[in-house]
Amino acid sequence: KQEVTQIPAALSVPEGENLVLNCSFTDSAIYNLQWFRQDPGKGLTSLLLIQSSQREQTSGRLNASLDKSSGRSTLYIAASQPGDSATYLCAVNSGGSNYKLTFGKGTLLTVNP
Amino acid sequence: IAGITQAPTSQILAAGRRMTLRCTQDMRHNAMYWYRQDLGLGLRLIHYSNTAGTTGKGEVPDGYSVSRANTDDFPLTLASAVPSQTSVYFCASSRTSGNTDTQYFGPGTWLTVL
Repeated sequence: KQEVTQIPAALSVPEGENLVLNCSFTDSAIYNLQWFRQDPGKGLTSLLLIQSSQREQTSGRLNASLDKSSGRSTLYIAASQPGDSATYLCAVNSGGSNYKLTFGKGTLLTVNP
Repeated sequence: IAGITQAPTSQILAAGRRMTLRCTQDMRHNAMYWYRQDLGLGLRLIHYSNTAGTTGKGEVPDGYSVSRANTDDFPLTLASAVPSQTSVYFCASSRTSGNTDTQYFGPGTWLTVL
C-alpha cells in the first residue's frame, strides 16, 4: 500500500527566504506526482505535476523535483512571500484500476512579513 | 468558466438523514472523483467515475453512493448519515482517467452530522 509522508508538518520562515518542502513515498512504481496548495477553508489548487519520466517541473518561483528510485520529491519555493502561506500537499498517482491519488498530510507554511 | 462547483457549501445534518452533495464541472472532463478530508488522515478517495455511465469504489466507499448520468454531474449520496461522516468533501475532475492528467478540485462541502 502506497504511503506518502511530508516533512516538516509545519514551517515558518521570514519573507524572502528560499525554502524546500519534502515528500517521500514508499512505492516507487508511480505514474506521476502532483503538488497542491490549499488555503484555509478552501479547496486544492494544483501547482505542478511531474510525470514519472521527468526529473523536475518549474512554474514561476516554484520548482518541483522527483527522484522516483529513492521515493522522494521536493518543492522548492524561491523568494518566499506572505501570500505563499498555505498548506502544501503532495499526492502520488500509483495507477491501478481506480486511478487513486495518495495524499500526504501536508506541510503548513507560514511566511512572515 | 467556473471549473468545478459544489453545493451546498456547508451543511449540518441530523444522523439518519439522507443527503446528496452536488458536483458539477464545465470543463467536459471525462473523469470525476469524490474525496473526504479529515484532520490527521488527509484526503481519501471515496468513489470515482472514469466516464459518464461508469463508477467505481475508492478507498473509503462504505455509506456512500454515486451516479454519473452525464459528463458534467457527479452527485454523492449519504443514504443514512452517521457522525463519522462529518468531514470536508471535495469533488475533483480530470480530462481523462489516464494516469498523466492533473486533477482539479472544487471548493469543498463542509458537512457536520450530529
